[in-house]
Amino acid sequence: EDKVVQSPLSLVVHEGDTVTLNCSYEVTNFRSLLWYKQEKKAPTFLFMLTSSGIEKKSGRLSSILDKKELSSILNITATQTGDSAIYLCAVESGFNKFYFGSGTKLNVKP
Amino acid sequence: TAGITQAPTSQILAAGRSMTLRCTQDMRHNAMYWYRQDLGLGLRLIHYSNTAGTTGKGEVPDGYSVSRANTDDFPLTLASAVPSQTSVYFCASSDSGGMNTEAFFGQGTRLTVV
Repeated sequence: EDKVVQSPLSLVVHEGDTVTLNCSYEVTNFRSLLWYKQEKKAPTFLFMLTSSGIEKKSGRLSSILDKKELSSILNITATQTGDSAIYLCAVESGFNKFYFGSGTKLNVKP
Repeated sequence: TAGITQAPTSQILAAGRSMTLRCTQDMRHNAMYWYRQDLGLGLRLIHYSNTAGTTGKGEVPDGYSVSRANTDDFPLTLASAVPSQTSVYFCASSDSGGMNTEAFFGQGTRLTVV
């Protein structure tokens, strides 16, 4: 059974802190791993990772995939209150099947 | 650009009643999906469709049915709602085309079955 597990489930930090969110997976036919940010309603896309060891970066956010360890991390440096959200990891297994983890709820306090 | 439109945005439904959640996309994406999101369980795939005319079962298909008569529309039907179907439902689409690509989401439908 395909499975995606995220940790921690929730996290409280202060502005300026750096956080690392984890995602591990067990899927039958890995195609890609995606990170989404969900604030109030629809998840919005952050990164797609397909190759091990290649870091994707967007501003203060970065992510990397380790296919050997079947995992990925999402780093956020110099956190801001606007980073408060649920961060979802999804893995595409086979063709057009996305499986999501339960998410990490990040709360950044001023 | 509208992207993906879901309707209604929220609904209270009596147990035993049927209901169809609507989803329309204007991006001409091949693949469409329905997820339900529950606290602590993340997004779980209900049904999906790789292309118009085909559908497939996801992780939690029981109690739900879908159809894909054309590229743009992917309605989700609850034939006889039960309280455990209280959830937030998200429709999504992706442009598969054989390449890895992300899924785009609608704004969600909050359904309460009482």
